[in-house]
Amino acid sequence: GQQVMQIPQYQHVQEGEDFTTYCNSSTTLSNIQWYKQRPGGHPVFLIQLVKSGEVKKQKRLTFQFGEAKKNSSLHITATQTTDVGTYFCAGTNTGTASKLTFGTGTRLQVTL
Amino acid sequence: GAGVSQSPRYKVAKRGQDVALRCDPISGHVSLFWYQQALGQGPEFLTYFQNEAQLDKSGLPSDRFFAERPEGSVSTLKIQRTQQEDSAVYLCASSLALYLQGGGNSPLHFGNGTRLTVT
Repeated sequence: GQQVMQIPQYQHVQEGEDFTTYCNSSTTLSNIQWYKQRPGGHPVFLIQLVKSGEVKKQKRLTFQFGEAKKNSSLHITATQTTDVGTYFCAGTNTGTASKLTFGTGTRLQVTL
Repeated sequence: GAGVSQSPRYKVAKRGQDVALRCDPISGHVSLFWYQQALGQGPEFLTYFQNEAQLDKSGLPSDRFFAERPEGSVSTLKIQRTQQEDSAVYLCASSLALYLQGGGNSPLHFGNGTRLTVT
């Protein structure tokens, strides 16, 4: 079945440093979504990418969808303590649109 | 407006007991998903409803798991004869539009989940 892996599993940065998480799917995706889950909370939608090679920005966050639509990345510039949480990518493949498969997640810790 | 509401927030069950978890989606949302999230893991897909129709139940781990959404609104996830490996947070999410092949999909709005502990 479809597998979505993320690296790293965990990253600890100092406030102001940059952070990147990478998402890799075993199958071609029709689209990819990114979610953030704060400790003790539920996943909250951040963004969706649909087109091959698409890049979207939200303030300090930059999201990219790979040319082959099998990988994606999230880059945070100048992290803040409010960025703490686990970041999940989630994709649907072309065969099973209703099954949004979440990645393994990257937990980000930011300290002063 | 109101978000997705799940109840109970916490449930402790003895092994072998049946449990029922409720999800009230955002009004008007067509799509409804159930996910299981173990500690430190990503959400694992269980099942998907489009209105009252259960279109995908491929993620249900065994026939002890059953979900329904009879009127296309509130949904219930039932687990029979609970076992320790069922301990997890069960997340419900709703989405405004249909989940279609190709193109984009509307985002999922998650509830706070039900934390199930089987002792």
